[in-house]
Amino acid sequence: LAKTTQPISMDSYEGQEVNITCSHNNIATNDYITWYQQFPSQGPRFIIQGYKTKVTNEVASLFIPADRKSSTLSLPRVSLSDTAVYYCLVGDYSGNTGKLIFGQGTTLQVKP
Amino acid sequence: SQTIHQWPATLVQPVGSPLSLECTVEGTSNPNLYWYRQAAGRGLQLLFYSVGIGQISSEVPQNLSASRPQDRQFILSSKKLLLSDSGFYLCAWSAPLAGEPYEQYFGPGTRLTVT
Repeated sequence: LAKTTQPISMDSYEGQEVNITCSHNNIATNDYITWYQQFPSQGPRFIIQGYKTKVTNEVASLFIPADRKSSTLSLPRVSLSDTAVYYCLVGDYSGNTGKLIFGQGTTLQVKP
Repeated sequence: SQTIHQWPATLVQPVGSPLSLECTVEGTSNPNLYWYRQAAGRGLQLLFYSVGIGQISSEVPQNLSASRPQDRQFILSSKKLLLSDSGFYLCAWSAPLAGEPYEQYFGPGTRLTVT
């Protein structure tokens, strides 16, 4: 499973767009990139997953450049409730184990 | 719809006492099941995973063990707790066959404090 590097923490203000970048230089051909969100005292929640280019859902967008060595999670117009830890994970889920390896994550603090 | 349950929600246990945490999943069959631990202020550490009844894979050597006596039941145990076992324990499940997107669904967690 490829190692990921992301900022330890970020601050933002309500209404701003937040971009969290994750580096994964050793990503393998079959690896997908996934982001999870975790609020205090809760389990992580899936946000978005992609393989290449851009993926968008009702919560966020995921931008993946052609070399796939990094990815950027974009949260549009954040609110106070988006304050959480965001994890970037890289792995091949084509097998039947589906193990996830979580790093330290990025603690996003949204201020009023 | 699928639901994952964990109990107890909180637990305070003395050092050296046994432990049993239970996780059950409803609304799906033959799920992959996972146990994670999160120490205070840290990321999640995968402890065990299971792809079927009686099949347990351990990720980290420790004084914990896991069992899967039924398809949708996953149990985390210890014979003697250590102070370092304190943390937030999370159970998760995923569909057995990978698809897009691949997603794990987490339970509400158990907060364990070893005193």
